[in-house]
Amino acid sequence: KAGVTQTPRYLIKTRGQQVTLSCSPISGHRSVSWYQQTPGQGLQFLFEYFSETQRNKGNFPGRFSGRQFSNSRSEMNVSTLELGDSALYLCASSLKRGLGEKLFFGSGTQLSVL
Amino acid sequence: GQQVMQIPQYQHVQEGEDFTTYCNSSTTLSNIQWYKQRPGGHPVFLIQLVKSGEVKKQKRLTFQFGEAKKNSSLHITATQTTDVGTYFCAGQAAGNKLTFGGGTRVLVKP
Repeated sequence: KAGVTQTPRYLIKTRGQQVTLSCSPISGHRSVSWYQQTPGQGLQFLFEYFSETQRNKGNFPGRFSGRQFSNSRSEMNVSTLELGDSALYLCASSLKRGLGEKLFFGSGTQLSVL
Repeated sequence: GQQVMQIPQYQHVQEGEDFTTYCNSSTTLSNIQWYKQRPGGHPVFLIQLVKSGEVKKQKRLTFQFGEAKKNSSLHITATQTTDVGTYFCAGQAAGNKLTFGGGTRVLVKP
């Protein structure tokens, strides 16, 4: 079956703009998590959605938001972009929430803010 | 909040040699997972450890969960060029999200 699909693959924006990233989880997976990856910071947790509700949130400013639709697809939005938002944004899906659920990652969206 | 640290941050290994990367959590974990990210790729799940003192092997990779369930290690024997990448551990405590360590980037010298 198809893996986690993230679009777009690459994105270039300028400071002050906003951006929306999309993630389609593996069919049947209901939990979607978002991570920001930068070269020296590892994987920083942004948020987790399950059944269209945000279940967990990381330590990111309110400019970062997300949502999940009834078909489990998820979008992430970043408003008023800053240079420091340049990163690889990874989406991961899992079958359900709970202990021991392994994550399946998409290829990510590489965002460059100029 | 829960913190997961990995050492070393970088590991330069001669092909054929062994090495170990370590993962330490600030809190007791319910389980720990390991992921591998190849250069230019995305993290891929390798294994999950749940029990105190658990040891699991995947070919040349040996994963161990500490007795106190606060640390873990990944040992690779006879390193090959295919082992290049970044290895992440991710710890989960009851009710909490999965927290990733900073990763160990492995470079192999042929």
